[in-house]
Amino acid sequence: GDSVTQMEGPVTLSEEAFLTINCTYTATGYPSLFWYVQYPGEGLQLLLKATKADDKGSNKGFEATYRKETTSFHLEKGSVQVSDSAVYFCALRDSSYKLIFGSGTRLLVRP
Amino acid sequence: DSGVTQTPKHLITATGQRVTLRCSPRSGDLSVYWYQQSLDQGLQFLIQYYNGEERAKGNILERFSAQQFPDLHSELNLSSLELGDSALYFCASSVGAGVNTEAFFGQGTRLTVV
Repeated sequence: GDSVTQMEGPVTLSEEAFLTINCTYTATGYPSLFWYVQYPGEGLQLLLKATKADDKGSNKGFEATYRKETTSFHLEKGSVQVSDSAVYFCALRDSSYKLIFGSGTRLLVRP
Repeated sequence: DSGVTQTPKHLITATGQRVTLRCSPRSGDLSVYWYQQSLDQGLQFLIQYYNGEERAKGNILERFSAQQFPDLHSELNLSSLELGDSALYFCASSVGAGVNTEAFFGQGTRLTVV
């Protein structure tokens, strides 16, 4: 079945460091890919999405490129802030209608 | 505020009991999803409804059931509760169920089974 694999956390960075959170997927067909963020005590919020190969999703300084050849959708940010501390989830949706999430990666940014 | 409303926010109940979690989707959204989030299992997809009909099913236990009503709100029923059912239960909604459709999440219901 379809699945999403994310890098294990937690990821601990200093403020202004470069962030990469790896995400790879397995899916039949041509899925859409999403990154969601969950701040402490809150629900998930959509961060960005990409719907076809080579699309780049971006929002709030975060970017991710849909790479079909490597089945990846890695999340990047050039300079993280303390306020970016949260759990980040990679997800996919394909024609089976399910929205499947990875296990989440906790990011902790230190001042 | 995502526009998805879940009630109650917190629920404490005993093993063997039955509870009902409620979700009101965003205005205009036809599709509702239920997820279970526990510490060791991540975010697990339970079930999805579209305009009142079941559209997709995940690893939902037989003790759990759900439905979507004509006014599009949804309820998740959990029965014969066990300690391991303690988790955050999230509802999400989307306009449609297509592959490009993004889902919006509620704040969740924290269920504690004692």
